[in-house]
Amino acid sequence: NAGVTQTPKFRVLKTGQSMTLLCAQDMNHEYMYWYRQDPGMGLRLIHYSVGEGTTAKGEVPDGYNVSRLKKQNFLLGLESAAPSQTSVYFCASNAGGYGYTFGSGTRLTVV
Amino acid sequence: KQEVTQIPAALSVPEGENLVLNCSFTDSAIYNLQWFRQDPGKGLTSLLLIQSSQREQTSGRLNASLDKSSGRSTLYIAASQPGDSATYLCAATPGEYGNKLVFGAGTILRVKS
Repeated sequence: NAGVTQTPKFRVLKTGQSMTLLCAQDMNHEYMYWYRQDPGMGLRLIHYSVGEGTTAKGEVPDGYNVSRLKKQNFLLGLESAAPSQTSVYFCASNAGGYGYTFGSGTRLTVV
Repeated sequence: KQEVTQIPAALSVPEGENLVLNCSFTDSAIYNLQWFRQDPGKGLTSLLLIQSSQREQTSGRLNASLDKSSGRSTLYIAASQPGDSATYLCAATPGEYGNKLVFGAGTILRVKS
């Protein structure tokens, strides 16, 4: 089925550990995004990409890095996890100016 | 900086009632506005997208309106059903050609049977 696939779906990290979240889309979308969702708050943009090989900072980029080596994949890295990064992470893609498709999310807990 | 606010934060209604969810945004220079549905533990499903030049969009029992001058959008749900229970999020795309969504915190809707 066409869409956005996120892996893993759940993860528990210890403070200071690193990890990479993978987002893959098969709709040939140019734009891809990483958001985080915290209780009582809307989704906030971490980083985004407007095409293969490009990345840009969003609203809350500190502590995260991203890469878009292939058009269909957008990776989000946590270099040294902190409890404040406990959240649900969503990847999304779109063709630019039109409707978004979201992944089902990754629930990350940092202890 | 664009800010999006949704009122109420939570709403509980009996089945069959018509209801309105409200969304306000601080900067009227938006490219479009979208409404999403989120079920517990799930991702977001796009419901309606209103371009800045449009006033409303309809899909089945859902109708979304947009008033840029007042910075408001409403989502109208007719004849609510228990299956409509979910969190509803609105999101604005800032700028003349923007791609980055700015979300409200959402309205948690419960429809009682």
